[in-house]
Amino acid sequence: GQSLEQPSEVTAVEGAIVQINCTYQTSGFYGLSWYQQHDGGAPTFLSYNALDGLEETGRFSSFLSRSDSYGYLLLQELQMKDSASYFCAVRGTGGFKTIFGAGTRLFVKA
Amino acid sequence: NAGVTQTPKFRVLKTGQSMTLLCAQDMNHEYMYWYRQDPGMGLRLIHYSVGEGTTAKGEVPDGYNVSRLKKQNFLLGLESAAPSQTSVYFCASSYDGLGRTYEQYFGPGTRLTVT
Repeated sequence: GQSLEQPSEVTAVEGAIVQINCTYQTSGFYGLSWYQQHDGGAPTFLSYNALDGLEETGRFSSFLSRSDSYGYLLLQELQMKDSASYFCAVRGTGGFKTIFGAGTRLFVKA
Repeated sequence: NAGVTQTPKFRVLKTGQSMTLLCAQDMNHEYMYWYRQDPGMGLRLIHYSVGEGTTAKGEVPDGYNVSRLKKQNFLLGLESAAPSQTSVYFCASSYDGLGRTYEQYFGPGTRLTVT
């Protein structure tokens, strides 16, 4: 089967750094994506890792270790607007099916 | 560009009724997807399409049918709605033949309640 695990909630203060972990188990693997979703909104794409290592996009970075079936999303200089749910997602067999984790709710406090 | 649009935004159905959700994209994307999202959960893939005239089953296809007669449209049908199908439905699309296949663009969602 396929499954992804990520923490259900994380709380951090404005200006801090937070890391959201994701471990996965899939029958095939093409890459790990991260999406952000604000309450009542649609998911929006943040980053993608196909190979091991770190990808940086502004305040957000994403890391992948294929040998450990593990990745994380790093958010720096947290802002109140970063309060949202963050989903990791795996592109599995065939490269078309995308399986999402249950999401991590991030609360940013002043 | 409007991106991905979904019709309707809200709908209430009685058990046993049928309906069709429409998804349209103007980005010339090859791939289209239907997901459902239940409270506190991630998105679960219902069906997807890798091109006009093609469809395939996702994780939770039972009770749903889809069609992709035109490249820009992807329809999701519920033949006989059940309370278990109460959810928020998201359509997404990706890959214009040039860019990244993995980046999915989502529509605003359809909130469906089955009583």
